[in-house]
Amino acid sequence: DTGVSQDPRHKITKRGQNVTFRCDPISEHNRLYWYRQTLGQGPEFLTYFQNEAQLEKSRLLSDRFSAERPKGSFSTLEIQRTEQGDSAMYLCASSRRQGITGELFFGEGSRLTVL
Amino acid sequence: AQKITQTQPGMFVQEKEAVTLDCTYDTSDPSYGLFWYKQPSSGEMIFLIYQGSYDQQNATEGRYSLNFQKARKSANLVISASQLGDSAMYFCAMREASGSARQLTFGSGTQLTVLP
Repeated sequence: DTGVSQDPRHKITKRGQNVTFRCDPISEHNRLYWYRQTLGQGPEFLTYFQNEAQLEKSRLLSDRFSAERPKGSFSTLEIQRTEQGDSAMYLCASSRRQGITGELFFGEGSRLTVL
Repeated sequence: AQKITQTQPGMFVQEKEAVTLDCTYDTSDPSYGLFWYKQPSSGEMIFLIYQGSYDQQNATEGRYSLNFQKARKSANLVISASQLGDSAMYFCAMREASGSARQLTFGSGTQLTVLP
């Protein structure tokens, strides 16, 4: 399978713990996006990488959140000192094409539950 | 202000019938793209169809077509001959040419249920 893969698919953690999610995009895609989706809502943009450079971050990405894409391939999203409000699905997407026409290819998401 | 509005939280359709899912958008950018995604219960977002702001014709992809009315800023998805497997959440999204990330902005979605 050569789609976007995310790991883990599910994570249950206690408030205050740190969690890390990994995303492996489609191999030839140089653009990578992280989104957050809460129940009953559409995905909300968190951050964007072009190759290894993080070019844009949403205001939703508080200082407890950090994302990296060290070699321009896989990416990690870390949440420190988790709060119950962080419970959500974290979606990763990748894209190859520049401009407005290229669709994003999404992974199946990592569902976080903070107790 | 909401950039993408989907006013139908839930829709029901009989198998084999057509259904229209509504989407209106708000942008001052003359260049933009509109997308529809399907999200089954498994969680993966599946791309369905794309319409560019300068496209003269409505987009079609198999059983999916997009009723694009630029002056009204609407981009409704039409699914013909509904199948049970079409039951899912459907999201309308927009990408504007301005901005470096060119991220998709999504609506809140419509839950479609196809009845046998």
